[in-house]
Parts: sequence; C-alpha cells; structure tokens
Amino acid sequence: GAGVSQSPSNKVTEKGKDVELRCDPISGHTALYWYRQSLGQGLEFLIYFQGNSAPDKSGLPSDRFSAERTGGSVSTLTIQRTQQEDSAVYLCASSLAGRGSYNSPLHFGNGTRLTVT
Amino acid sequence: AQSVTQLDSHVSVSEGTPVLLRCNYSSSYSPSLFWYVQHPNKGLQLLLKYTSAATLVKGINGFEAEFKKSETSFHLTKPSAHMSDAAEYFCVVSLNTGFQKLVFGTGTRLLVSP
Repeated sequence: GAGVSQSPSNKVTEKGKDVELRCDPISGHTALYWYRQSLGQGLEFLIYFQGNSAPDKSGLPSDRFSAERTGGSVSTLTIQRTQQEDSAVYLCASSLAGRGSYNSPLHFGNGTRLTVT
Repeated sequence: AQSVTQLDSHVSVSEGTPVLLRCNYSSSYSPSLFWYVQHPNKGLQLLLKYTSAATLVKGINGFEAEFKKSETSFHLTKPSAHMSDAAEYFCVVSLNTGFQKLVFGTGTRLLVSP
C-alpha cells in the first residue's frame, strides 16, 4: 500500500522567504510526527499530532515554525522568514499508535530537503 | 533523561564479515529501543524493536540486537555483511511522554567494501 508521502522532495529558497512542506500520512494512521535531520546529526523531534487532540509543539525551535493538520490527515509544516540554519531534511512519520502506545513503529516519508540560500 | 549514544560515527567492513554497530542507552526505567536504517535518498525503515518481551531481538535482513541491562547496551549485529547493507543506522529510544516521542542517536554510517 501507499506509504507516507512528502512534497516537495527538494526545496531551495532564499533567506527570509516562507516555505510550506506537506505530508500525506498512511491512511488510517492517527498519529503524525515531524522531525528534522540536520547534516551529521540525528533526528530532532519537532511536533506531534494525535487525532483531534491539541498537538505537542515542544520540539519547535522557534515561533517561525508552525504546523497544522487538517481533517486528521494531511499536515503542513510552515517555516516563516527562513534562515540558513533551517537548512535540513524535514521528515514526516505516521503511526497507528495513540497515547500510551510506546512501541508501535513509525512509518517515515522520504523527507523534504530544504536549502536556504 | 533518556538518551542513546552511538559510539561510532563510521564503521567499515568487508562483504561477508560480521557487523557490529554499538549503542548505549540511558534510561531511568525499562526503555523501548529501536534500530532504524536509512538508505541514501530513502526514508527511515524500522529494522527491529525491543519492548521487554525478549532480550535478543531479530529484525529484517538478518540483523539482530541484544538488550543487556547490566551494560545498558543495545548493539546491532549481523553475521555476514552484504553490499546492500551500506546505509546509516540509528539507535532510538522511546520516551514515555504520553505518546511515542523518539530520541535518535547521531547515527552510524556503515560502509561495506567488496
């Protein structure tokens, strides 16, 4: 079946511009995550959505970052006034697991590579 | 605080020889631990997971990992490396925060030579 789909796969933008990254999770998955992978580093948690509950935004690095999830499905990560340090691969993942499930696997998309010039 | 440490940023092996990728964890209670693999230009894929049912965990593609509480380790092994195993491997711990918040190690790049 279809996996997690992210678009665009690559995005080059100028410093100061806004960007939107899209994630289509696996159908039926209630949990959706955004992670950031910077060069030479591990993955950094950004934000988590579960159903209609308020998202956990504890990983967002600044107020320039925001995300929404419409209808419990598609999610958009928005970065305003991009900076060069925002350059990274942004990964989306979805899972069947809800709160209290700590060991269900996450299914990751191929990511969006963002380059801020 | 829970965390994982991957001791090697790069590991080089020859095809057909054993693979050992090291991971140590820090946790105040019994953790859920995972290994994920990332091939070039591909998404992350779950290799295996430990959830306290058995200390020796078998995963896909012939990989396995052993949970050793006394050593706080969860090393990934494979008896015989294949060229297709060349990838980035991440050791991951799951935080019990009310949802599955994963904390990733910095990764180990496995290089396999003919």
